[in-house]
Amino acid sequence: QQQVKQSPQSLIVQKGGISIINCAYENTAFDYFPWYQQFPGKGPALLIAIRPDVSEKKEGRFTISFNKSAKQFSLHIMDSQPGDSATYFCAASMLTGGGNKLTFGTGTQLKVEL
Amino acid sequence: ETGVTQTPRHLVMGMTNKKSLKCEQHLGHNAMYWYKQSAKKPLELMFVYSLEERVENNSVPSRFSPECPNSSHLFLHLHTLQPEDSALYLCASSRGTGANSPLHFGNGTRLTVT
Repeated sequence: QQQVKQSPQSLIVQKGGISIINCAYENTAFDYFPWYQQFPGKGPALLIAIRPDVSEKKEGRFTISFNKSAKQFSLHIMDSQPGDSATYFCAASMLTGGGNKLTFGTGTQLKVEL
Repeated sequence: ETGVTQTPRHLVMGMTNKKSLKCEQHLGHNAMYWYKQSAKKPLELMFVYSLEERVENNSVPSRFSPECPNSSHLFLHLHTLQPEDSALYLCASSRGTGANSPLHFGNGTRLTVT
């Protein structure tokens, strides 16, 4: 019940295209959903996060879409660029009582080709 | 320059060795974490320290021993490891332990156990 399932495992997108990464969770107590971005040789870094009281959050070219009833959320990268090539991790946690114990997905390796 | 520095970047050790991983954060944060990152697996939380007190130990084998002498430094002492312990070990810090306190990761120590 603590798992966060992430797909696809890898993704190749042409420059200028839309990259879409999906995640699903089981634990209905989760109420905070961040995405982390990791470049090769670096640690993950927070990219964007959403709470389930909104269905969408946009920051620049990055958008999180959230479907509470389906217990799914996704990351959309518009106008994908080669510099977006990285591994993306979705995660979930509980804002109260959960500490900062994030449950991570398995990651999606994104490659944006010219 | 990352606000969280980990040393060494790479470590090769035999199963009978004793070694230590070091982490230092320059962000004035109150919480520090050790994560294990293995290929195609979710990031695994190992230990959490808040204000230098251990608040979480995710059933980690005793061959891993953490130490947090102050809020800026975190160590992971290793002894009699197994080959399956080979992984990237990531240190992170956060301002608090609430779920919406972003984790700031170091670049990790790549550990190989021979």
